[in-house]
Amino acid sequence: EVQLVESGGGLVKPGGSLRLSCAASGFTFSSYSMNWVRQAPGKGLEWVSSISSSSSYIYYADSVKGRFTISRDNAKNSLYLQMNSLRAEDTAVYYCARDPSSSGWLYYFDYWGQGTLVTVSS
Amino acid sequence: EIVLTQSPGTLSLSPGERATLSCRASQSVSSSYLAWYQQKPGQAPRLLIYGASSRATGIPDRFSGSGSGTDFTLTISRLEPEDFAVYYCQQYGSSPVTFGQGTKLEIK
Repeated sequence: EVQLVESGGGLVKPGGSLRLSCAASGFTFSSYSMNWVRQAPGKGLEWVSSISSSSSYIYYADSVKGRFTISRDNAKNSLYLQMNSLRAEDTAVYYCARDPSSSGWLYYFDYWGQGTLVTVSS
Repeated sequence: EIVLTQSPGTLSLSPGERATLSCRASQSVSSSYLAWYQQKPGQAPRLLIYGASSRATGIPDRFSGSGSGTDFTLTISRLEPEDFAVYYCQQYGSSPVTFGQGTKLEIK
């Protein structure tokens, strides 16, 4: 069974930093591109960042470019999101989500974690 | 960036009825790269449809997707109590991928 479990969320002051983690199991993590998608309270979904299976290709939404860094450790079956210079508008539930392709990119999301809440407030 | 507009914002129906949800794109979605997700309160989104009309693994056949170009539809043929949720469309034919704002399907 595919499982994605996020952790690392919490309350942080504007300008602060936070590192999110996503532990994957039930599939060959190193074969799949992975993503972060966020959802502000009561709002819709917003793609944040994507990373290819070998970390060769990385993409960011304009809203987080230069502030967030996505990475992965295939030996630990883990995905990360380092978030710096946080703003109030970054407040959201952050989901890690798997790309369905085991040999490239399809750019939609077939499995999602339960999410971790990040609150940016003074 | 492709903007997806979903309508209606809220749809009130009864179990057993047919639901038709619309997703309109600001420009053509290449190769019908359009997905639909269901989200219940406090839960993560769940993939229902990809490629505009292909059901994801384990999705009941009462869910169907159709459309091409700029107009897409998710149809639920006979609503079950567990189908009342928020539904999002997502295009993945152009970068960045984008989502619609959602349609809330509520019990009448």
